[in-house]
Amino acid sequence: EPEVTQTPSHQVTQMGQEVILRCVPISNHLYFYWYRQILGQKVEFLVSFYNNEISEKSEIFDDQFSVERPDGSNFTLKIRSTKLEDSAMYFCASSDQGYGYTFGSGTRLTVV
Amino acid sequence: QKEVEQNSGPLSVPEGAIASLNCTYSDRGSQSFFWYRQYSGKSPELIMFIYSNGDKEDGRFTAQLNKASQYVSLLIRDSQPSDSATYLCAVNMNTNAGKSTFGDGTTLTVKP
Repeated sequence: EPEVTQTPSHQVTQMGQEVILRCVPISNHLYFYWYRQILGQKVEFLVSFYNNEISEKSEIFDDQFSVERPDGSNFTLKIRSTKLEDSAMYFCASSDQGYGYTFGSGTRLTVV
Repeated sequence: QKEVEQNSGPLSVPEGAIASLNCTYSDRGSQSFFWYRQYSGKSPELIMFIYSNGDKEDGRFTAQLNKASQYVSLLIRDSQPSDSATYLCAVNMNTNAGKSTFGDGTTLTVKP
């Protein structure tokens, strides 16, 4: 079964450092997303990406965040200057039309 | 008022019983509805999606949608210990793709 692949599985970074989270969505999917889940809390939308541009973003997705699809397979989330409150599990997801998401296994980001 | 609200849980049922999980949503314009299962420490996994009023069955799972009441539910028949997980209700404003708004989840425990 096709998978969404995320790397790394765990990243520890110092406050103020830049991090890049990487994702390889399912190859024939057209819609890509980043969500995050702070420990014990609900899954929160960050950004959606379609046709090589951001289609929607949340209030969380401020100027410190950016996304890129640098080639035909990778989809990245960059946080420019991490804060303690950015510590969370970050999930990449992709979808084909409106049939629900396939999530990657996630990257646990710990900001110290 | 929360946009997507689920039973506070936790919910405990004996093996073989029917588990009933409920979800209400606030935006009457919502078009598509999803149930995800999330095991502890893992990413959400799509179980079912439903767009139209009524019931939709897939194996032991039945999703029920009532748009007039802004209510969606998931029934799990013949519950198994492996069904023990947190169940997430998610709602989209359109049927094509796009942002999902998740509820807090209901944790289900199936006791052997």
